[in-house]
Amino acid sequence: DVKVTQSSRYLVKRTGEKVFLECVQDMDHENMFWYRQDPGLGLRLIYFSYDVKMKEKGDIPEGYSVSREKKERFSLILESASTNQTSMYLCASQTPRTGSSYEQYFGPGTRLTVT
Amino acid sequence: SQQGEEDPQALSIQEGENATMNCSYKTSINNLQWYRQNSGRGLVHLILIRSNEREKHSGRLRVTLDTSKKSSSLLITASRAADTASYFCATNFGNEKLTFGTGTRLTIIP
Repeated sequence: DVKVTQSSRYLVKRTGEKVFLECVQDMDHENMFWYRQDPGLGLRLIYFSYDVKMKEKGDIPEGYSVSREKKERFSLILESASTNQTSMYLCASQTPRTGSSYEQYFGPGTRLTVT
Repeated sequence: SQQGEEDPQALSIQEGENATMNCSYKTSINNLQWYRQNSGRGLVHLILIRSNEREKHSGRLRVTLDTSKKSSSLLITASRAADTASYFCATNFGNEKLTFGTGTRLTIIP
């Protein structure tokens, strides 16, 4: 079974702090994603990485950056946390191999509160 | 931008009844996927239907796809309390990305 883990289930940070959210997958998947989930808005893609050191902006990248130094690890960084970044953050991994259906495997989520 | 829109937003049924939720989308797709999310947790992949398929079954799940109407439905038969969750459709266009809808919150009343 694919396992995707996230470093924290709950996180409380202060406005202006630098925040790191870590995600690790154990299935040697090439693709990894960061989403945020807000009530009534569903899941929105923040960033996507298709290889080590490779990244692509999603629909809402403003205020976020990412790092992928190793294949299994994808980090989301909030350079200066703001209250409007209070949300549930979900990480997912995926294999793009030939014939793939592109299903995604999700971690348990990190509920971040910025005060 | 969101592609899939689920309907209804919320649904409550008695245990043992069938639950049906619908998803509409706007442009041509490669496949459509359904995911379940238990409260406060990550999403779990349930079932996938490709654009050239009309119906697919997996256990108590039945998915249909009507590409002419750009819509899909998920039927859960003989519902159980453990089916209480939010259900999301996600559309795929043949590349890596999925576009998720806003979800249907299903509550099964014991």
